[in-house]
Amino acid sequence: DAKTTQPPSMDCAEGRAANLPCNHSTISGNEYVYWYRQIHSQGPQYIIHGLKNNETNEMASLIITEDRKSSTLILPHATLRDTAVYYCIVRVALDSNYQLIWGAGTKLIIKP
Amino acid sequence: DSGVTQTPKHLITATGQRVTLRCSPRSGDLSVYWYQQSLDQGLQFLIQYYNGEERAKGNILERFSAQQFPDLHSELNLSSLELGDSALYFCASSPSGGSYEQYFGPGTRLTVT
Repeated sequence: DAKTTQPPSMDCAEGRAANLPCNHSTISGNEYVYWYRQIHSQGPQYIIHGLKNNETNEMASLIITEDRKSSTLILPHATLRDTAVYYCIVRVALDSNYQLIWGAGTKLIIKP
Repeated sequence: DSGVTQTPKHLITATGQRVTLRCSPRSGDLSVYWYQQSLDQGLQFLIQYYNGEERAKGNILERFSAQQFPDLHSELNLSSLELGDSALYFCASSPSGGSYEQYFGPGTRLTVT
């Protein structure tokens, strides 16, 4: 079962910042948070990941709360092409290995 | 373009049949992952190979099997197909067994009639 909870859908106006929340209250100390997105039925695309500190790259920023029980993905200036399903994933230990356990994600719709 | 290729793009077959899906990872990537995505669902991890060896198994049915060849391409074999096997099948690759920045292919859409 997925260790994350996300709202099923969100809207955001084009040009504004899109803030996507994720709850992962049962996360363990060494488990990373990953974000991917999937545009229509294409292959998912990696966005960003983090453990404790906030992270930023050319696509997005990831803000992780101090207790690590939740995080927020920020797309600073959303465009219509950012419309997609966004998955917040916790990397979990499985059979002496690690795996990404995917949930249902948040469908983000960017409106003109 | 992620650099991961999958063939075929679409596949239509009948119940009880067997199919093979193929994946070529990004140049230099040693790990290959297979996922199944049923309609409007999240991705279900099936299996991972690293440099030719099985590394991890997820929710893969006994009717399904996979392998990774010396040139690092991988094949997913699905047999005794059922209607419920209709789904998108994605392959992803990553540079090492412990890297979870995975690069996904475009997927194979399997329809079982």
